[in-house]
Amino acid sequence: GQQVMQIPQYQHVQEGEDFTTYCNSSTTLSNIQWYKQRPGGHPVFLIQLVKSGEVKKQKRLTFQFGEAKKNSSLHITATQTTDVGTYFCAGPEYRGGSNYKLTFGKGTLLTVNP
Amino acid sequence: DTGVSQNPRHKITKRGQNVTFRCDPISEHNRLYWYRQTLGQGPEFLTYFQNEAQLEKSRLLSDRFSAERPKGSFSTLEIQRTEQGDSAMYLCASRLNTEAFFGQGTRLTVV
Repeated sequence: GQQVMQIPQYQHVQEGEDFTTYCNSSTTLSNIQWYKQRPGGHPVFLIQLVKSGEVKKQKRLTFQFGEAKKNSSLHITATQTTDVGTYFCAGPEYRGGSNYKLTFGKGTLLTVNP
Repeated sequence: DTGVSQNPRHKITKRGQNVTFRCDPISEHNRLYWYRQTLGQGPEFLTYFQNEAQLEKSRLLSDRFSAERPKGSFSTLEIQRTEQGDSAMYLCASRLNTEAFFGQGTRLTVV
């Protein structure tokens, strides 16, 4: 089955520093989704990337989808304490039509020192 | 609250007992998922439903686990003869289109 890997597993930064997490899939993806889980919380959808080479921005967050659609990255510029949490990428495994299951990576835990 | 609701939020049970969790998805969402998450790991797929039909069940799931969604609305996840290794957060998610909405989860502790 499809495997989704993320690095690094942990990242600790000083507030104001940048942060990047990388996601790699064992198979070509039709799209990729990113979720954020705050400590003690549940995963919350951030974004979906669909096109090869796609770049999307949400304020200080920049998401990229690789040309081969097998990798993706999330970059946060000038981290803030509110960015603390675990960031997951997730790739769909389609089962026909719009039916799919999401396979999650293990996530990158970001901690920010104020 | 119109989000995904899970009950109970916490469950402590003795090894060997059966437990059942409930998930109430967002009302118009026809797809419902169950995931399991342990500390430091991403959500691990267990099963999913489209309406009342269970379309897929993880091969990693033992026959002690069963899930239902009888009327295509709420869903239940039952674990029979619980083992200590079943201790985890059990997450339910529902979706209509792209975005999956997760509930707060049920944290199971088997002692």
